[in-house]
Amino acid sequence: SAVISQKPSRDICQRGTSLTIQCQVDSQVTMMFWYRQQPGQSLTLIATANQGSEATYESGFVIDKFPISRPNLTFSTLTVSNMSPEDSSIYLCSVPSGKTRYEQYFGPGTRLTVT
Amino acid sequence: TQLLEQSPQFLSIQEGENLTVYCNSSSVFSSLQWYRQEPGEGPVLLVTVVTGGEVKKLKRLTFQFGDARKDSSLHITAAQPGDTGLYLCAGSTQGGSEKLVFGKGTKLTVNP
Repeated sequence: SAVISQKPSRDICQRGTSLTIQCQVDSQVTMMFWYRQQPGQSLTLIATANQGSEATYESGFVIDKFPISRPNLTFSTLTVSNMSPEDSSIYLCSVPSGKTRYEQYFGPGTRLTVT
Repeated sequence: TQLLEQSPQFLSIQEGENLTVYCNSSSVFSSLQWYRQEPGEGPVLLVTVVTGGEVKKLKRLTFQFGDARKDSSLHITAAQPGDTGLYLCAGSTQGGSEKLVFGKGTKLTVNP
């Protein structure tokens, strides 16, 4: 199974600022996914990041608010821009397991609190 | 939008009891997965079911996929404190897409 690390593990930020979350995988993967897990809510897919192309965003999420970089096959970043308290959430990256198209391995998450 | 409804949302039981968690949708899924998430960690895959009516067992956990592939259940026999966690179901849409739709989860607490 893939080992995924995320930095930071948690942060407290002031509204109006931006935070960049890093996701590192111990093997090369074509696809990486970014999710948001709000308190009491489902995991919601923000975007799919493929190396060498622009990220594909889900409905309700835009690049200006959540810019994503994917410089190589083992690394990605998600930036939460111009934060508001509503952005307080856990942000998770994941990668396909490689065994099937739909099973995923998840990172430990980044717990963000915006004050 | 495809939705997965999980019930119950919270469950607190004593060690040794049995429990069942449900995951329901009006949509058909090509596969359905169950994950367990513990505080401060990401979800960890427990099982994937793909065939209508399929039953899979993982030690004391039994997973079932509905015949119409719209619902699933997770049954835990003789629950232990180590089973405590957030149980999430996730569905893959028709065509075997890599994108997953998640339920809100069932937060299970097993008291010793």
